[in-house]
Amino acid sequence: AQSVTQLDSHVSVSEGTPVLLRCNYSSSYSPSLFWYVQHPNKGLQLLLKYTSAATLVKGINGFEAEFKKSETSFHLTKPSAHMSDAAEYFCVVLNYGGSQGNLIFGKGTKLSVKP
Amino acid sequence: GAGVSQTPSNKVTEKGKYVELRCDPISGHTALYWYRQSLGQGPEFLIYFQGTGAADDSGLPNDRFFAVRPEGSVSTLKIQRTERGDSAVYLCASSSSGRGYNEQFFGPGTRLTVL
Repeated sequence: AQSVTQLDSHVSVSEGTPVLLRCNYSSSYSPSLFWYVQHPNKGLQLLLKYTSAATLVKGINGFEAEFKKSETSFHLTKPSAHMSDAAEYFCVVLNYGGSQGNLIFGKGTKLSVKP
Repeated sequence: GAGVSQTPSNKVTEKGKYVELRCDPISGHTALYWYRQSLGQGPEFLIYFQGTGAADDSGLPNDRFFAVRPEGSVSTLKIQRTERGDSAVYLCASSSSGRGYNEQFFGPGTRLTVL
């Protein structure tokens, strides 16, 4: 079975400082991993995805994530936070055990950005 | 082009009532997913359609929940004898195929409140 654990429920940073949102995964297979962002009253949006190609994945809005098999981690980073980055972020793994394509979400990390 | 739309955006009902939630996927997308997001949690998979058929309904919590997609496009999630614990945001997503992974595009959700 696959699962993801987001290690922080809430992260607060100052504008212009780095962002680190932590995620560990568990999978019996080589996982496909994703980060989604959810702004208030808006739909979930895909930030980036890892599907066994390059281990460093670049996404939209300056975000990137590194797949580390030895640490079973897929942490999301950004060098410099903007106010518009304030949102809920979900680490997600593709479920191979069920239907081909349904997603398993972590509990989310709320990112606050202080001016 | 138009994204995934869901109606209504908000639904308030009384315990024991029947509700229907509608999802209009992106035109041409054959795969359609329903997820449920409870307060403070990540979305949880409910059901997956490939075309008109439910390919995987393993996430439906009990037999009060049912979903249809009669023409392979619009889908309706139906909840009978609603309970307070059904209160959540119900999310719909569509993708161009359910095989392997193709990006799932999410709608804004329907917020269901059961009084």
